[in-house]
Amino acid sequence: AQRVTQPEKLLSVFKGAPVELKCNYSYSGSPELFWYVQYSRQRLQLLLRHISRESIKGFTADLNKGETSFHLKKPFAQEEDSAMYYCALSGLSGNTPLVFGKGTRLSVIA
Amino acid sequence: ETGVTQTPRHLVMGMTNKKSLKCEQHLGHNAMYWYKQSAKKPLELMFVYSLEERVENNSVPSRFSPECPNSSHLFLHLHTLQPEDSALYLCASSQVVVDSPLHFGNGTRLTVT
Repeated sequence: AQRVTQPEKLLSVFKGAPVELKCNYSYSGSPELFWYVQYSRQRLQLLLRHISRESIKGFTADLNKGETSFHLKKPFAQEEDSAMYYCALSGLSGNTPLVFGKGTRLSVIA
Repeated sequence: ETGVTQTPRHLVMGMTNKKSLKCEQHLGHNAMYWYKQSAKKPLELMFVYSLEERVENNSVPSRFSPECPNSSHLFLHLHTLQPEDSALYLCASSQVVVDSPLHFGNGTRLTVT
C-alpha cells in the first residue's frame, strides 16, 4: 500500500537558516514523488516533483530510494516560505492518484 | 478565472439536508478527483473520475454521491451527513498521463450541524 509519512507537524526556523522538511514513503513499485505547498488563504499548488530535478523558489528535493525519502530542502529560509507543505506519492500508472502525507507547517521567524 | 473552481466556498447544512458541491475545471484535463481534508487526518481521496468514468472509490459512505457529467464538471451530492463529515472538500483535476500533477481548487468548507 502507498503511504507517505511527514514526521513533523510544525517546523519553525529563523529567517536565513537552512530548512529541511522530511518525507518518507512506502510503495512497492516505482514511485513518483511531489511536494505541494499551501500558502495562507491560497489553494494547494505543486511546488516541485522529483522527476524534473528542478529548483523552485530555492527549494530542492532529492529522491533517495535506499532510504525511501524525499526531503525538501532550502539553504536560506525566507518569511514568505511560511506555509503548509505536503509530500505526495504516486505510482507510474497514469490512473494512480496521489497519496498525501499529513503535511508540515513551516513557520519562518523574522 | 482559469484553473479549478469550486462552489460554494462555505456550506453549513443540517444532517437532514441535501446539498451539492460543484467543481469546474478549465484546463482541458480528463481526470477529476474529490479529496477530503479533515483537521486530524491527511488528505483523503474520495473519488476519481478518469475520462468521465469512475475508476476509484475509496470506500466512501453512500451519503456522498459523485457525479461527473463531462470532463469539465464534477459534483458531490450530499445527504443525511454526520457532524464528523465536516471538513474541507477539495476538487482536483489532471491529465491521465504519467507524472501529471494535480491542480486543486480552493475547496468547500463544509460544516454539518
